[in-house]
Amino acid sequence: DQQVKQNSPSLSVQEGRISILNCDYTNSMFDYFLWYKKYPAEGPTFLISISSIKDKNEDGRFTVFLNKSAKHLSLHIVPSQPGDSAVYFCAAVNYGGATNKLIFGTGTLLAVQP
Amino acid sequence: KAGVTQTPRYLIKTRGQQVTLSCSPISGHRSVSWYQQTPGQGLQFLFEYFSETQRNKGNFPGRFSGRQFSNSRSEMNVSTLELGDSALYLCASSLTAGSGANVLTFGAGSRLTVL
Repeated sequence: DQQVKQNSPSLSVQEGRISILNCDYTNSMFDYFLWYKKYPAEGPTFLISISSIKDKNEDGRFTVFLNKSAKHLSLHIVPSQPGDSAVYFCAAVNYGGATNKLIFGTGTLLAVQP
Repeated sequence: KAGVTQTPRYLIKTRGQQVTLSCSPISGHRSVSWYQQTPGQGLQFLFEYFSETQRNKGNFPGRFSGRQFSNSRSEMNVSTLELGDSALYLCASSLTAGSGANVLTFGAGSRLTVL
């Protein structure tokens, strides 16, 4: 049972345009959501997160939106740059359970074309 | 400040063998988690350790085991290797467990190939 889903395996955008990566979840116990970026031959690196009590969090070019009623979150990258080309993983956790167990989606490969 | 260090980075084993992977967390971090990454499956949670105690375990067979030492370093072991165990094994550390302030920092992973 895939509790966190990223239905788009890949996404291609032009440099300077907006990239929108989507993520859906099924478990209403999740109270924190994170996005990680992964380059080949490297471990995932933390990008941005959002608590379930918020609906938006911004950090520079990156913004995460959370729609709890739809159990949906999205990551917006504006403007997109070639260096943003990587695999992006959405993850969810129930920190109320005193655990760091992250449930990851299967990832979206973002390609930013110069 | 050194990051999360995983050894070995690459290894090749044959079916039926066993393997031990090592993880040194960031200095001061007491929580260590392990994940398996395979194509199409994303990252699957294996275990979580905090202060030498296993806090959580993922849905993997008993061939997968782990432990954490008093210095927070962790090892995971896979016995009786199968072809399907070929994957990237990632270790992540954080200060504590169960808080949104504790973002996991991942190592570069150990790439296991089972022939």
